[in-house]
Amino acid sequence: EDQVTQSPEALRLQEGESSSLNCSYTVSGLRGLFWYRQDPGKGPEFLFTLYSAGEEKEKERLKATLTKKESFLHITAPKPEDSATYLCAVQAGAQKLVFGQGTRLTINP
Amino acid sequence: GAGVSQSPSNKVTEKGKDVELRCDPISGHTALYWYRQRLGQGLEFLIYFQGNSAPDKSGLPSDRFSAERTGESVSTLTIQRTQQEDSAVYLCASSLRWGYEQYFGPGTRLTVT
Repeated sequence: EDQVTQSPEALRLQEGESSSLNCSYTVSGLRGLFWYRQDPGKGPEFLFTLYSAGEEKEKERLKATLTKKESFLHITAPKPEDSATYLCAVQAGAQKLVFGQGTRLTINP
Repeated sequence: GAGVSQSPSNKVTEKGKDVELRCDPISGHTALYWYRQRLGQGLEFLIYFQGNSAPDKSGLPSDRFSAERTGESVSTLTIQRTQQEDSAVYLCASSLRWGYEQYFGPGTRLTVT
């Protein structure tokens, strides 16, 4: 069974304090790994898609990387507006997306 | 352009009543998905439509849940004889086609009293 595990469940950082969020997965035949951001009371907002090990994508203070077993979402010099829940999801073959439980990120000013 | 829209944004209903939730996907997106998100939980897949193909209903939790989609436009998710455990946020998403990134609507918060 495809599984996605995100860690930590929650993370508090000071503004400017860089860190990484982890998404570990076990799937047969990864088709794509997706990162989303979700603000309270809103639907998830698409951030990145990664397709193969070694791939990296960047957007502002966020950089996503992918290996054969996990993905990292690196956040550099975060600001309070980066506070949100970050969701990871994987798709294997023709299967549906499987989401992790998310990491709740809080950036204190 | 316009994103995915859902209505109503909030719905409070009594146990045993039927409810209908609506989703308007992004124009031109052939794939449409419904998810359920319980408080503090991840997203739970419910059903998926791709063009005129038969929908993938494998995530529907019981036969009280059903969904329809007219062509490549609006979809409705119907929950019959609602139960308290149906209380959740119901999210709709669409994508250009299966396997592409999904764009989500704001969700419908359903509360069953």
